[in-house]
Amino acid sequence: DTAVSQTPKYLVTQMGNDKSIKCEQNLGHDTMYWYKQDSKKFLKIMFSYNNKELIINETVPNRFSPKSPDKAHLNLHINSLELGDSAVYFCASTLQGSNEQFFGPGTRLTVL
Amino acid sequence: AQSVTQLGSHVSVSEGALVLLRCNYSSSVPPYLFWYVQYPNQGLQLLLKYTSAATLVKGINGFEAEFKKSETSFHLTKPSAHMSDAAEYFCAVSENSGYALNFGKGTSLLVTP
Repeated sequence: DTAVSQTPKYLVTQMGNDKSIKCEQNLGHDTMYWYKQDSKKFLKIMFSYNNKELIINETVPNRFSPKSPDKAHLNLHINSLELGDSAVYFCASTLQGSNEQFFGPGTRLTVL
Repeated sequence: AQSVTQLGSHVSVSEGALVLLRCNYSSSVPPYLFWYVQYPNQGLQLLLKYTSAATLVKGINGFEAEFKKSETSFHLTKPSAHMSDAAEYFCAVSENSGYALNFGKGTSLLVTP
């Protein structure tokens, strides 16, 4: 009965590849997020998304794109991976009007 | 834009001692403030949140935090540290409910026997 799940948990890939990370929530939430945690453990918002609006952090390269097939899923697609993309990526979700975000377990991406 | 500053990237306390993790915020509107904990190789778990109700907020695992507008602070405390409290702690702020969180840089808590 995992609330927010991510797959894969670990992803190792070569520079230049394209990869996707999947996120699913079974909480009935309507807003989802992607955060990036770098090697110094600093967490930064990448995207906020609900049915109506996608908010993109302006510092995120356009190689990153969120894709939402339905309200319960927000996948992260990354083109032309670079060494600097190595990080832990966290998905989170909430219900609009709520104050609490629920986080997934994270996906550790390593680009070689 | 809202931001938080966590003072001290590493804090070490003895088991049974008081835990005090500092967080100051900057916000042009009444903020929503949060403390999250991250255990090694795990996701983030909400400890407590301030949403303009009571200024003293009690959370899980014996933690609490006090919102002080005059000091723009939201420090996290626990009267007696346990070994299991060793983790990374993040203070975060958002402009409104449902908005993305802006995190501090985190404080790593070490608890020694």
